[in-house]
Amino acid sequence: EPEVTQTPSHQVTQMGQEVILRCVPISNHLYFYWYRQILGQKVEFLVSFYNNEISEKSEIFDDQFSVERPDGSNFTLKIRSTKLEDSAMYFCASSEALADIQYFGAGTRLSVL
Amino acid sequence: GQNIDQPTEMTATEGAIVQINCTYQTSGFNGLFWYQQHAGEAPTFLSYNVLDGLEEKGRFSSFLSRSKGYSYLLLKELQMKDSASYLCAADDKLIFGTGTRLQVFP
Repeated sequence: EPEVTQTPSHQVTQMGQEVILRCVPISNHLYFYWYRQILGQKVEFLVSFYNNEISEKSEIFDDQFSVERPDGSNFTLKIRSTKLEDSAMYFCASSEALADIQYFGAGTRLSVL
Repeated sequence: GQNIDQPTEMTATEGAIVQINCTYQTSGFNGLFWYQQHAGEAPTFLSYNVLDGLEEKGRFSSFLSRSKGYSYLLLKELQMKDSASYLCAADDKLIFGTGTRLQVFP
């Protein structure tokens, strides 16, 4: 069964460093998303991406964040200068169509020290 | 504003039926989704309602009333493995509630 894959599963970084979280969405899906979940808290929407551009973003997705689809398969989330409060699980998701079922990757646990 | 409300925790016994309620207020509405999330894992899709009424899928059913901004997830014949968080989410960008942590006891 097709699945969304995310790498790495765990990323440890120093405050102020840049990190890139990688995702390979399901191949025939057109809509891509990033969510984050701080430990013990709810899943929060960050950004949605369609047709090579951001379609919607939340207040959390400030200038420190960016997304890119560098090739036909990868979808990345970059955090330019990490802060302690960026420590969370980051989930990538994809869907075939807008408002369709979203399938989530296993997540990348980001630990900022 | 956008808001999803659901109970924080529920408990039930194996074999029983449990109903998890969710009320929502969102700026847009393209459907109401239920996801299951085991601790430390990704959310997995359970059910989706876009029209009013009941959607049945094996042991899980979900109900939606758009006029009331209300949904519930019904789990029948509970099993120990159903112990997880159940997330109600609305809109195309999935505004999630805090999730309902369900504990199933033998």
